[in-house]
Amino acid sequence: DAKTTQPPSMDCAEGRAANLPCNHSTISGNEYVYWYRQIHSQGPQYIIHGLKNNETNEMASLIITEDRKSSTLILPHATLRDTAVYYCIVRPSGYGGATNKLIFGTGTLLAVQP
Amino acid sequence: GAVVSQHPSWVICKSGTSVKIECRSLDFQATTMFWYRQFPKQSLMLMATSNEGSKATYEQGVEKDKFLINHASLTLSTLTVTSAHPEDSSFYICSANPTAPNRGRRFNEQFFGPGTRLTVL
Repeated sequence: DAKTTQPPSMDCAEGRAANLPCNHSTISGNEYVYWYRQIHSQGPQYIIHGLKNNETNEMASLIITEDRKSSTLILPHATLRDTAVYYCIVRPSGYGGATNKLIFGTGTLLAVQP
Repeated sequence: GAVVSQHPSWVICKSGTSVKIECRSLDFQATTMFWYRQFPKQSLMLMATSNEGSKATYEQGVEKDKFLINHASLTLSTLTVTSAHPEDSSFYICSANPTAPNRGRRFNEQFFGPGTRLTVL
């Protein structure tokens, strides 16, 4: 079962920041928070991941609370092409084999409005 | 970035026939690949973990005799849906992890294929 809870849908105006919350209150000390997104009828795309520090890359920023029980994905300037389902996933650290499997929850459908 | 391909991208078949879907990692080796299934308006459901050179590991409730997985090389995994029926119609997606982090790839990143749309008539 997925270990995360996300709102089913959100709207965002084009050009504005999109803030997508995720609750992972049962996260373990060795588990990372990963974010993927899936544009309609495509395979998921990696966005960002983190353990406890905030992270930023060319796509987004990830803010993880100090107790690690929740996080927020921030798309700083949303565009119409960012309309997708966004999945927050927790996964153990380690490398190789079944450790890498991802269990998807229901995600958040972000609709960017013109 | 790393690329994972799937073939075919879509397939229509008659009920009772078998369909093979290929998943290839194009510029990296993957000891482990994963197969997911996604029904309309639902999330991805992990079906099985494909292990190069050994048997696949199936998730609970997935019939291993119906969904045959072969991972014969470090760049290819195949999923065969045997005796397909209309209820098997779905979007099948594979993913792969590089065997070792290299070429500046992110640690533990998993790359997904574009998916295969299966329609069983």
